[in-house]
Amino acid sequence: QKEVEQNSGPLSVPEGAIASLNCTYSDRGSQSFFWYRQYSGKSPELIMSIYSNGDKEDGRFTAQLNKASQYVSLLIRDSQPSDSATYLCADGGYSTLTFGKGTMLLVSP
Amino acid sequence: SQTIHQWPATLVQPVGSPLSLECTVEGTSNPNLYWYRQAAGRGLQLLFYSVGIGQISSEVPQNLSASRPQDRQFILSSKKLLLSDSGFYLCAWGTSGGYEQYFGPGTRLTVT
Repeated sequence: QKEVEQNSGPLSVPEGAIASLNCTYSDRGSQSFFWYRQYSGKSPELIMSIYSNGDKEDGRFTAQLNKASQYVSLLIRDSQPSDSATYLCADGGYSTLTFGKGTMLLVSP
Repeated sequence: SQTIHQWPATLVQPVGSPLSLECTVEGTSNPNLYWYRQAAGRGLQLLFYSVGIGQISSEVPQNLSASRPQDRQFILSSKKLLLSDSGFYLCAWGTSGGYEQYFGPGTRLTVT
């Protein structure tokens, strides 16, 4: 049974700072990872996918994957109050995803 | 572009009543379809997934069932709801052979 672990938070950062969200996964053979953003009362929205070791950047978001350490992270630069949400990390398998329980991010003005 | 619809948006049902939630996807063919439940303060729990018409895989045994009568339609049902069935029900789709999943707006179910 795959597991994805995330710190539940909340992670509090001031506006303009870099927010760093992390997760670890149990399956050493996993190849694909995803970050979803979920605003309170809304459904999750896919914001980043990463399939290979290293960094992947998209605007203010950078996903990092370290397969040797079984570690995935999401960096949000120039954090805005609108980034306040719960961020879910997911491990992709054959036809299914295994989700962590999410980290709540609070960005204060 | 692809669009996923779920209805109803909210639902309040008494214990022991039946349930039917519907999800449809537009703009893609032969998608993988998924039903998840998110209980208050808990993570996403995969309930069912389908890789084709009539093909349903159940992840968690409970009093729920799923059907896929058409390529882009996925239905979640129950004959008798329990209090523990309350939660946020999410339908998602993914491309066949792909890994990414995209969620619908969800149905918030309260069983009283």
